[in-house]
Amino acid sequence: DIHLTQSPSSLSASVGDKVTITCRASQNVHTYLNWYQQKSGKAPKVLIYGASNLQSGVPSRFSGRGSGADFNLSISSLQPEDFAIYYCQQTHDLPLTFGDGTKVEI
Amino acid sequence: EVQLVQSGVEVKKPGESLRISCQGSGYTFTDSWLSWLRQMPGKGLEWMGRIDPSDSYTTYSPSFKGHVTFSSDRSTNTVSLQWSSLKASDTAIYYCARHSRRPSPSGGTWFNWFDPWGQGTLVSVYS
Repeated sequence: DIHLTQSPSSLSASVGDKVTITCRASQNVHTYLNWYQQKSGKAPKVLIYGASNLQSGVPSRFSGRGSGADFNLSISSLQPEDFAIYYCQQTHDLPLTFGDGTKVEI
Repeated sequence: EVQLVQSGVEVKKPGESLRISCQGSGYTFTDSWLSWLRQMPGKGLEWMGRIDPSDSYTTYSPSFKGHVTFSSDRSTNTVSLQWSSLKASDTAIYYCARHSRRPSPSGGTWFNWFDPWGQGTLVSVYS
């Protein structure tokens, strides 16, 4: 199985801050890497697919970069509604796997 | 609007059987795979496997193979997740999610992602 390691596991930030979350894969996943946001009590929602493609309807303050085994998700200016848990997911190989999540707190 | 609607909360005893469902609307049901995912209390997301609603072909994650069964009913645009004998460790929220995809720039392959997700079904198993 491909293991995804997210860092940090949690972070505290303020509204307006720039935030970057890292996801490292245990092997090359090319650009088959997605990012999801999960708010408390809700289903996850896709933000980025294919490492850097912004899903329709997602604010442009979210961006994704990377290829191979190293990826990051950035939020350029944190908004109150962005406080949530963020997960990376690889779709290069079965079984599909997720990182353990990064909790973004105030 | 593309939507997945899941069945409601279930409270069961160990050893009981259970089937939960996920109904799709707003798109051609047989055009997209559907996956099932588990989220145990306070934990992250685990992919259980997927089903192709067009022919009910299934792929199970090794972690779940033999413990659950997926099925599909094209007449009602519904996929189901079934247990024959629940354990307390099956307590979790279960999500269905549609595979969305588009061709990757490299050609010959596809980007896949989950969108949308169902609202989740809480399954609680205790004696």
